Amino acid sequence: EAAVTQSPRSKVAVTGGKVTLSCHQTNNHDYMYWYRQDTGHGLRLIHYSYVADSTEKGDIPDGYKASRPSQENFSLILELASLSQTAVYFCASSGTGGSQNTLYFGAGTRLSVL
Amino acid sequence: TQTVSQSDAHVTVFEGDSVELRCNYSYGGSIYLSWYIQHHGRGLQFLLKYYSGNPVVQGVNGFEAEFSKSDSSFHLRKASVHWSDSAVYFCAVSAPNYNVLYFGSGTKLTVEP
Repeated sequence: EAAVTQSPRSKVAVTGGKVTLSCHQTNNHDYMYWYRQDTGHGLRLIHYSYVADSTEKGDIPDGYKASRPSQENFSLILELASLSQTAVYFCASSGTGGSQNTLYFGAGTRLSVL
Repeated sequence: TQTVSQSDAHVTVFEGDSVELRCNYSYGGSIYLSWYIQHHGRGLQFLLKYYSGNPVVQGVNGFEAEFSKSDSSFHLRKASVHWSDSAVYFCAVSAPNYNVLYFGSGTKLTVEP
């Protein structure tokens, strides 16, 4: 079964520290995404990628970097974590053709910045 | 620019009732519309999507949605809800890049016994 795995599942970080969230997919999908969900709100797109070694900015890229070293892996990097980046982060993947824009989500990473 | 709005933040119904969750979008061109479900503490799961053809699309677990171009809507319906349908439901649009989804703020459905 297709799967998107995020690690860690939860993390506590200090303000100003560096945080890396990882995502691994076994779907053989070209597209991968990072979304942020704040309590009581919808998902907002941070970065996405459609091919290895290339990333694109979403709606809220400020304060975040992304890295796609391979088709299977997509990381989200917070170089200087801030209180406002406390949220749940979701990774997702999608294919092309018939499965275009059907997203498969990971279970999420709950990040608390203190 | 495309936008999607879900006007109801919370909907409460009783088990066995029918339910309609509303979604309206704004975009002038061709568009993909989809619905996702999020159970508490979990990631989102795909329910159904529409691009063209029959405006009524069927999804998993008895859900269906109807596209209306005149109303700019894509409402989700279920004829008889079960307690396990309690979750947050998100409407999403894809346009003009069909591979990038933009989500609404979600509607929390609570099914009372």
